[in-house]
Amino acid sequence: SQQGEEDPQALSIQEGENATMNCSYKTSINNLQWYRQNSGRGLVHLILIRSNEREKHSGRLRVTLDTSKKSSSLLITASRAADTASYFCATDAGGSYIPTFGRGTSLIVHP
Amino acid sequence: GAVVSQHPSWVICKSGTSVKIECRSLDFQATTMFWYRQFPKQSLMLMATSNEGSKATYEQGVEKDKFLINHASLTLSTLTVTSAHPEDSSFYICSAPLVNYGYTFGSGTRLTVV
Repeated sequence: SQQGEEDPQALSIQEGENATMNCSYKTSINNLQWYRQNSGRGLVHLILIRSNEREKHSGRLRVTLDTSKKSSSLLITASRAADTASYFCATDAGGSYIPTFGRGTSLIVHP
Repeated sequence: GAVVSQHPSWVICKSGTSVKIECRSLDFQATTMFWYRQFPKQSLMLMATSNEGSKATYEQGVEKDKFLINHASLTLSTLTVTSAHPEDSSFYICSAPLVNYGYTFGSGTRLTVV
């Protein structure tokens, strides 16, 4: 089944720095979503980008999608300690709406 | 927006007992619900897809007699972990597809079997 792969697996930065996470996938998609998960908690939807979109913004978040490279990136600008969490991309594929997840990127923002 | 309410958020049970997890779509009808499990520091793995009024579809390697899924109405899907064992301890989460907006997730259930 379709699966995104995030990299890096772990990212450690200082507060105020930008954090960039990447997601690659294997086959064509309808849309791609980024989620955040605090330790031991549920998923929080961050942003959805459709296959015909190239870039979306939401607050300090910027998501890009390159369908030719089958990849997406999530940029968190001016990071805060509260941004510490795991970040997952989820994709569906073609006519299927079954979302499949990558392994996630564990982000630690040091105050 | 469309919300899936998942309960309980955490449960501790004794080995050999059964645990039921519920996911309700609050302001929309969910004909399909996806069930995932997540082990510590790992990704979410799809276990099964439940469809209202029909049998669930299980992913390879998932025991359908152990993880009973019922989707009796358009707003409720349940996952019952039968005869739970410590290795079933995990984080379980449901998700419903939305026609124009991808999918929405429940808040997850932390199951600990002792």
